[in-house]
Amino acid sequence: GDSVTQMEGPVTLSEEAFLTINCTYTATGYPSLFWYVQYPGEGLQLLLKATKADDKGSNKGFEATYRKETTSFHLEKGSVQVSDSAVYFCALISSNTGNQFYFGTGTSLTVIP
Amino acid sequence: GAGVSQTPSNKVTEKGKYVELRCDPISGHTALYWYRQSLGQGPEFLIYFQGTGAADDSGLPNDRFFAVRPEGSVSTLKIQRTERGDSAVYLCASSLSGGDDEQFFGPGTRLTVL
Repeated sequence: GDSVTQMEGPVTLSEEAFLTINCTYTATGYPSLFWYVQYPGEGLQLLLKATKADDKGSNKGFEATYRKETTSFHLEKGSVQVSDSAVYFCALISSNTGNQFYFGTGTSLTVIP
Repeated sequence: GAGVSQTPSNKVTEKGKYVELRCDPISGHTALYWYRQSLGQGPEFLIYFQGTGAADDSGLPNDRFFAVRPEGSVSTLKIQRTERGDSAVYLCASSLSGGDDEQFFGPGTRLTVL
């Protein structure tokens, strides 16, 4: 079945460091891919998405590129801030399972000043 | 309100009891989802409504779980004969029309079964 595997955390970085959180997926059909973020004390919210191969989603300095050849959607940011501390979830929805979002287990990021 | 709201925020119950969890989606959103999130895990799909009908209930773990959305807005997740393993955060999300539309999540209801 469809699934998402993401890098286990927790991840701790110093401010202005480069961030990569790995995400790979397994899907039948043609999935759309997402990154959701959960800030402390808040609900999940969409960070970015890409709906077809080679698309790049971007928001708030974060980027992720939909790589069909490697079935990956890694999240990157060039210079993290303390305010980026949160839990990040990779997710997919597949054209074959049009209603079900599959989420990864989440990666906790802490950015220290 | 502008966002998805869920009540109660916390629910503690005893094993074997019945509970109801409520979700108020964003006005005008036809799609509504319920998820369950256990500690250290991502949200796990339970059920999807399109309007008043349950378009996909394949994620419900067993027949103790049931959900309704009678008027196409508010939804209630009902759990009968609760078990300790049902303890989790139950999340509700809505989107404009389903598919790969952005889902807007509520803050969740933390259910604890003693």
